[in-house]
Amino acid sequence: AQSVTQPDIHITVSEGASLELRCNYSYGATPYLFWYVQSPGQGLQLLLKYFSGDTLVQGIKGFEAEFKRSQSSFNLRKPSVHWSDAAEYFCAVGGNFNKFYFGSGTKLNVKP
Amino acid sequence: ETGVTQTPRHLVMGMTNKKSLKCEQHLGHNAMYWYKQSAKKPLELMFVYNFKEQTENNSVPSRFSPECPNSSHLFLHLHTLQPEDSALYLCASSPGGTSIDEQFFGPGTRLTVL
Repeated sequence: AQSVTQPDIHITVSEGASLELRCNYSYGATPYLFWYVQSPGQGLQLLLKYFSGDTLVQGIKGFEAEFKRSQSSFNLRKPSVHWSDAAEYFCAVGGNFNKFYFGSGTKLNVKP
Repeated sequence: ETGVTQTPRHLVMGMTNKKSLKCEQHLGHNAMYWYKQSAKKPLELMFVYNFKEQTENNSVPSRFSPECPNSSHLFLHLHTLQPEDSALYLCASSPGGTSIDEQFFGPGTRLTVL
């Protein structure tokens, strides 16, 4: 069955530190992979997506993610976190017939 | 208005009430979605509409009834809900009916069932 796992429910990093959010997926075919961010009181906004080509994809707000087929992972990274990055982050995989499977999310806190 | 809007933003209802959630997209998209977001659980896809036709009902109880009168509007009609239906209900749209499309989300309706 298709699923997405985000093993970290909460993460706290200091401003300026690097960040990596983990995402593992289970999907039988070539996955379409997404990272979304949700700020309080807001809907989800797309950060980046992967569906083919270069396995390192660049997104908005300085985020990048790397697709590793052998590990079924699509981890999100940022070299230097800003206080405005505090939000909840969701990994998702796109399946057949425009069905989407989301992880439970990772809440990011940023310490000054 | 731009993007995806949802009304109301907050709704409190009793278990015997009937209410409706409204979603409107101003992006010219052809696909619209309802999701349920509960604390500490993955987003649950409820319904998908492509070109006004329902293409997905993810085993949603019949007390939730969607309606898509045109490509820009999506409703979720609610009746005889249960307290466990309390959640944030998100509407989204995408350009077409494929899984590589970015989805654009509204801010959600926070529903509380008493």
